[in-house]
Amino acid sequence: EAQVTQNPRYLITVTGKKLTVTCSQNMNHEYMSWYRQDPGLGLRQIYYSMNVEVTDKGDVPEGYKVSRKEKRNFPLILESPSPNQTSLYFCASSSTPRSSGNTIYFGEGSWLTVV
Amino acid sequence: AQSVTQLDSHVSVSEGTPVLLRCNYSSSYSPSLFWYVQHPNKGLQLLLKYTSAATLVKGINGFEAEFKKSETSFHLTKPSAHMSDAAEYFCVVSEAGRRALTFGSGTRLQVQP
Repeated sequence: EAQVTQNPRYLITVTGKKLTVTCSQNMNHEYMSWYRQDPGLGLRQIYYSMNVEVTDKGDVPEGYKVSRKEKRNFPLILESPSPNQTSLYFCASSSTPRSSGNTIYFGEGSWLTVV
Repeated sequence: AQSVTQLDSHVSVSEGTPVLLRCNYSSSYSPSLFWYVQHPNKGLQLLLKYTSAATLVKGINGFEAEFKKSETSFHLTKPSAHMSDAAEYFCVVSEAGRRALTFGSGTRLQVQP
C-alpha cells in the first residue's frame, strides 16, 4: 500500500529543545516536501526536495532544516523550536513535480505544540 | 504566479441536499487542479484532479468538479450530502515544474441531520 508515514503524530515540547519529525515514503518518489497548516492559511510549503541530496526552501523555511540522504526519507528538523512553530505539519511526496498532474500523497500529519 | 481563492470558509447543508464548494484560481500557465479532503485528525485525501483532459472530473464518494477556463473556476459539487462528508476541503493548483502546490484556505463543510 502506498504510504507516507510521519512520526511523531503528536508532540508537545519546550522552547529551544531540538526536535526532528521523520517522514518516510514507500513509493520510490523523487519529490518530497514539508508543509505546515495554520487556521485560515491553508497549507504552506516549508522545504522541498527534488531528489537525494537536493533540497530547497519553500515559502516559509525560517526556523527549519531538512536533509535528504536517502530517497525514502525526508526528516524535518527544528533546531530551536519557538511557540510560533506550533502547527500541524504534513509531509508529502510525488513521482516528479515536472508533470503538474501527478498525484501528491500526504502523510497523516504531525501535531506539534511548542510551549 | 498562481493563487487559489475558496470563496466560502464555511458551508452548511442538510443531509440529502446538494453540496457546492466554490474555488477560483489564477495561473500563468495551464494548471492542474485538485480537490483534497481532510477529515478531523486525519491527513489529506485526494478527491479528484483535473489535468487538461475532460473538463468535468468525477472523483470519489460521488463528488465531481467542472473546470471552467473562462471563469477560472473549479467548483466542487455533490448531488446529495451525507453525514460522512463533513470535513474540510481544499482546492489546490499546481503548475508543471513549480516547486510547490498552492492551497486555498479551505472550506469547512457541515452536514446537518
